[in-house]
Formats: sequence, C-alpha cells, structure tokens
Amino acid sequence: GAVVSQHPSRVICKSGTSVKIECRSLDFQATTMFWYRQFPKKSLMLMATSNEGSKATYEQGVEKDKFLINHASLTLSTLTVTSAHPEDSSFYICSADPGTSGRNEQFFGPGTRLTVL
Amino acid sequence: GQSLEQPSEVTAVEGAIVQINCTYQTSGFYGLSWYQQHDGGAPTFLSYNALDGLEETGRFSSFLSRSDSYGYLLLQELQMKDSASYFCAFISNDYKLSFGAGTTVTVRA
Repeated sequence: GAVVSQHPSRVICKSGTSVKIECRSLDFQATTMFWYRQFPKKSLMLMATSNEGSKATYEQGVEKDKFLINHASLTLSTLTVTSAHPEDSSFYICSADPGTSGRNEQFFGPGTRLTVL
Repeated sequence: GQSLEQPSEVTAVEGAIVQINCTYQTSGFYGLSWYQQHDGGAPTFLSYNALDGLEETGRFSSFLSRSDSYGYLLLQELQMKDSASYFCAFISNDYKLSFGAGTTVTVRA
C-alpha cells in the first residue's frame, strides 16, 4: 500500500513560536493532500486541502494566516502553525489518495502531536 | 448542513459480532468509508461503499443504503486487536472526507 510520512512525530514549543510539520508521500505522487486536526477522543476535523502548485483551500473557521500550507512538490506538503498558542495543541494528521485503488482510499500519515507551552 | 451519527461506544467479547451503524446527512454524497484508528495511531482504511449493498473484506463488511442515508460496519469473529476507534466518513462530491465522531470498540476476553 501507499505510504505517507510525517515529521516530526512530536513537537513541544513555546507560546508565540512557529512550528512546521512536513507531510510526504513516499511512493506515489499526490497533487492533493489533506490536513486534519484531532483532539483527544474526538473526530478528525478537516482543516484544509493542500493543492500542488496552487493555494490551499481552507475549511470554514480555519485561519489561513495562522495555519500556512505550502505544497511545493508532488510529494511534499507542509503545515506551519504560526504564533502557536496552547489552544493549538493537538494531533495534526495529513492524508493523500494515490488514486490507484478505485475506492477513494486515503492514506494517513502517523500524525504529529503538537504541545504548546 | 452535513452530519454523521454513530454510537460512541460498543463493548463485546472475543469471537462476537459487532455492528456499528452510521447515519449521515449531506447535500453532496459520493460514498461512505470506514476507518480504524488505534490509540495514538493513524487512521487506516477499512472499507468503502459507493453503491447500495454489502462489501466484504475478510472479517469486516460494510453496507450502504443511499436511499436511507445509512450504512454499517460489521466486525465478525472479534479479536482483542480489534479494540480501537472506528470512524464512518462520507466522501462529498469534491472528494473531501467528513468524519463521524467515532465509535470506541472494546473487546473483552
């Protein structure tokens, strides 16, 4: 199956700093990747759709200036949490669909647990 | 608006059968998927239904009725490793996934 990686797996930062999370598709090209956040024992909430070579599209209520997304290549999307605050502490997960299974199957990265102090 | 409803928790013993129901509401529906997530891990794909009927994949089966906006995931011959959260998610016409709140399945010996 397709593999999606994320880096880092865990990050702890001070309030006010910025954190960059990378999402890579290791064995397929992804023109579209998705970014989610998940609170403990809660569902995955779609934050934005990352589009290679163009601007990301954000879901309602997600601040695009706070959560900067860059999809610079067909295998890499980055999410930067700018001026992080404790309420941004969450589990951030990316996903991509290689489009080969015919089942709209999305492959998820292992996630990044962000803790803002 | 868009919504999905699924039970929050289910407990069963090893070897049993569990059915997790999911009802959804959306204006643009493409298909219904199921994902499994173990604590602290990434969601993994289990099944997908675009058309009405039953899809069987080993011990797991999924059903969809588009006219009823309803689907279910059937877990058979439960094993301890099946203890996890299970999410139904519909795919909208723009290929975005919208997840339900998840059902925590606890398998007991």
